[in-house]
This record gives sequence, C-alpha cells and structure tokens, in this order.
Amino acid sequence: SQQGEEDPQALSIQEGENATMNCSYKTSINNLQWYRQNSGRGLVHLILIRSNEREKHSGRLRVTLDTSKKSSSLLITASRAADTASYFCATDSNTGNQFYFGTGTSLTVIP
Amino acid sequence: DTGVSQDPRHKITKRGQNVTFRCDPISEHNRLYWYRQTLGQGPEFLTYFQNEAQLEKSRLLSDRFSAERPKGSFSTLEIQRTEQGDSAMYLCASSMGYGGYTFGSGTRLTVV
Repeated sequence: SQQGEEDPQALSIQEGENATMNCSYKTSINNLQWYRQNSGRGLVHLILIRSNEREKHSGRLRVTLDTSKKSSSLLITASRAADTASYFCATDSNTGNQFYFGTGTSLTVIP
Repeated sequence: DTGVSQDPRHKITKRGQNVTFRCDPISEHNRLYWYRQTLGQGPEFLTYFQNEAQLEKSRLLSDRFSAERPKGSFSTLEIQRTEQGDSAMYLCASSMGYGGYTFGSGTRLTVV
C-alpha cells in the first residue's frame, strides 16, 4: 500500500509549544499534502508540497519533504488551543487521480 | 458558492434499506471525489469523476454502491441493501486537478 503513516498517533502539548508530526510513505510520489480534521467534520487542506520541493511554509506551518527517506514532517509553531484536531498526510497515487491518507495524528493543545 | 455541500449531514437507516447522498462541489471544480472514513481511520478512496465521467473506482466500491455525476456538476452516491459495515462518514471533495482538495463536511451514515 502507498498509504502514508503518521507518527505519533497522538500528541498532547501545552499552548505555545511547537508540535511536530511525521509521515512516512512507501512508493514514489508526485506530491504530498497535509490536512486537518476537527472532530466530526470534513478535512481542511493545509499545504501541498511537490516532490521537487524540500520545504514549504504557510503562516505557523512548516512542511518538509525528504523523498530519499520517503518522509515528511509538519511543524506547527506557537500552538493554540484551536489547533486541536487530527492531522493527516496524503500521498498521490500513480495515476494522480486519488490520494492515499494515513491514519492521522491526533493533536491536543492544552490551554 | 462558498464550498462543497453535502446532504444530508446525518442519516440513520435500517439494514437492507437503500440510501442516497448528494454532493454539490465548488462550481469551477471539474474533479469530484468520494471517500469513506471510519472512526479512527483516514479517508479511503471510493471513486473519482472528471466532469461527468467516472474515471476511477476503488475495489471498496462493491456492486451495492453506485455513484453518478450526470451533468458534471452535483454527484450522488447510492448504497443499496445497506449493511452495518457501511456505517461510516462519507466525504465528498472537489478540485481543479491541481492543488489540494476541498472537502465537504460529510454525511454520517448509521446502519441499525
């Protein structure tokens, strides 16, 4: 399976701390995406990083991609209680017509 | 048109009944996807449309499942003879074919 796997499965931090989540995948990709999902809701797209990119920033989010290690990380700096959610990485299929999602990292930010 | 709309938000049905869900994508998006998500898992791909053409279907989409996008706009997902294992969140997403997906809030199906 090409499915991404996030690590850790659960993460609990204090507000203001940084949160780092990792994603590993098995086969080559064209791009990798990170999504956030609040409980019982749909997913919200955060960042897309292409296979020829190594790092991307969006506000308090920083994503890195290491294609040699088939891994990516999502860093959330200066976390807020509102960042509490599940975070998923998604890798594209070889047809590019679908994305494979991992099982997610559940982040809890304690006020 | 501010996002992807799914209807209904929740559906409780008895085993063996048929159910139909609707998805209205962002109007400029030509690609539409259906995913299924069970508790504690990530979304699993079901099917993909480009305009009105259904171009890819997952093995998860058994013959009890059918999806349509008749005019390349809204889409419906029908499940016939529902089973308890069909209980899940059904997510619809749309895209332009590049960039990320925009997901709807999902339809939560409970089969009793």
